[in-house]
Amino acid sequence: DVKVTQSSRYLVKRTGEKVFLECVQDMDHENMFWYRQDPGLGLRLIYFSYDVKMKEKGDIPEGYSVSREKKERFSLILESASTNQTSMYLCASSLSRSWETQYFGPGTRLLVL
Amino acid sequence: ILNVEQSPQSLHVQEGDSTNFTCSFPSSNFYALHWYRWETAKSPEALFVMTLNGDEKKKGRISATLNTKEGYSYLYIKGSQPEDSATYLCAFPPHNFNKFYFGSGTKLNVKP
Repeated sequence: DVKVTQSSRYLVKRTGEKVFLECVQDMDHENMFWYRQDPGLGLRLIYFSYDVKMKEKGDIPEGYSVSREKKERFSLILESASTNQTSMYLCASSLSRSWETQYFGPGTRLLVL
Repeated sequence: ILNVEQSPQSLHVQEGDSTNFTCSFPSSNFYALHWYRWETAKSPEALFVMTLNGDEKKKGRISATLNTKEGYSYLYIKGSQPEDSATYLCAFPPHNFNKFYFGSGTKLNVKP
């Protein structure tokens, strides 16, 4: 079974802090994704990566950056957290082709005060 | 950004009721349609991947159909149980796009 883990389930940070969300997958997947989920909205793609050191912006990249130094690890960075970044963050991975099933981590619920 | 719509937004049913909900997606540029189940405090879990017009998939009491020409998919749950309570998401990866577009989900609550 594919396992995708995220570093924290719950996180509370202050406005202006730099926040790191870590995601690790154990199935040698090429693609990794970061989404945020807000009430009434679907999962919205922040960034994705299809290879080590490669990244592409999703639909809402503003205020975020990412890092993929190793194949199994994909980090989401909030350079200066703001209250409108309070959300549920989900990481996912998929094997290689764009249409293949994505496997999700349990999510990190981030509260920015 | 492509529009993927799900209806209804939420549904409350009694144990034993059968129910269904809809996912609408752009009919052009179709490649595949995914259904996920997301239970509270758990990871979204893949239910079905559907690729062919007229496709019908089944997993226990849950089944799904696909109409790519008109751009919709139905998810059916026969004899709902409390453990079916979850948010059901559909996701659309258009051809030549390296990402999914998700609907906002249908939140199902099954009362014992």
